[in-house]
Amino acid sequence: GAVVSQHPSWVICKSGTSVKIECRSLDFQATTMFWYRQFPKQSLMLMATSNEGSKATYEQGVEKDKFLINHASLTLSTLTVTSAHPEDSSFYICSAPMSGATDTQYFGPGTRLTVL
Amino acid sequence: QKEVEQDPGPLSVPEGAIVSLNCTYSNSAFQYFMWYRQYSRKGPELLMYTYSSGNKEDGRFTAQVDKSSKYISLFIRDSQPSDSATYLCAMGRGGSNYKLTFGKGTLLTVNP
Repeated sequence: GAVVSQHPSWVICKSGTSVKIECRSLDFQATTMFWYRQFPKQSLMLMATSNEGSKATYEQGVEKDKFLINHASLTLSTLTVTSAHPEDSSFYICSAPMSGATDTQYFGPGTRLTVL
Repeated sequence: QKEVEQDPGPLSVPEGAIVSLNCTYSNSAFQYFMWYRQYSRKGPELLMYTYSSGNKEDGRFTAQVDKSSKYISLFIRDSQPSDSATYLCAMGRGGSNYKLTFGKGTLLTVNP
């Protein structure tokens, strides 16, 4: 199946710093990617839709100035958590649909962010 | 009422048992349905997807969709300890709208 990678797999940072997470589609192009957040024992919560060549679309309640998304190319989207605080500690997962082929989405392995 | 309802469990079964996992939904706009498996601290892995009512089988897994009742199921036959994970149902509207709506996930433990 299609492969989506994320980097880093985990990160620990101090409160107030910014953290960048990369999401790459390895063997297919993705004009759209999705960013999710998952708290322990909770389901995935969609944060935003990343669109290549245009601005990201954020879900209600997600601060776009705090969670900066850049879809730099057809295979790369980045999520930057700016001025991170302990309440931002979570598991961040990206996904990408295989454009034109199916409606299925393939998920990255996730990035665990811990803000001290 | 939430768009997708899924019993979070936990569900514990002996090895070899048949497992039944279920989700209900309220939005008739959902056109395609998926089941994902998520191991602890890992990203979800696509197990099954289907567009139509009826059954779809893949090895030990069978996905069942009943659009008239807005009810989907995943059956796991001859369950193995390696099947222990959280199972998430997901649904989408199709077309150019790729957004998925997830259930809360059911934590399954298969005991050897």
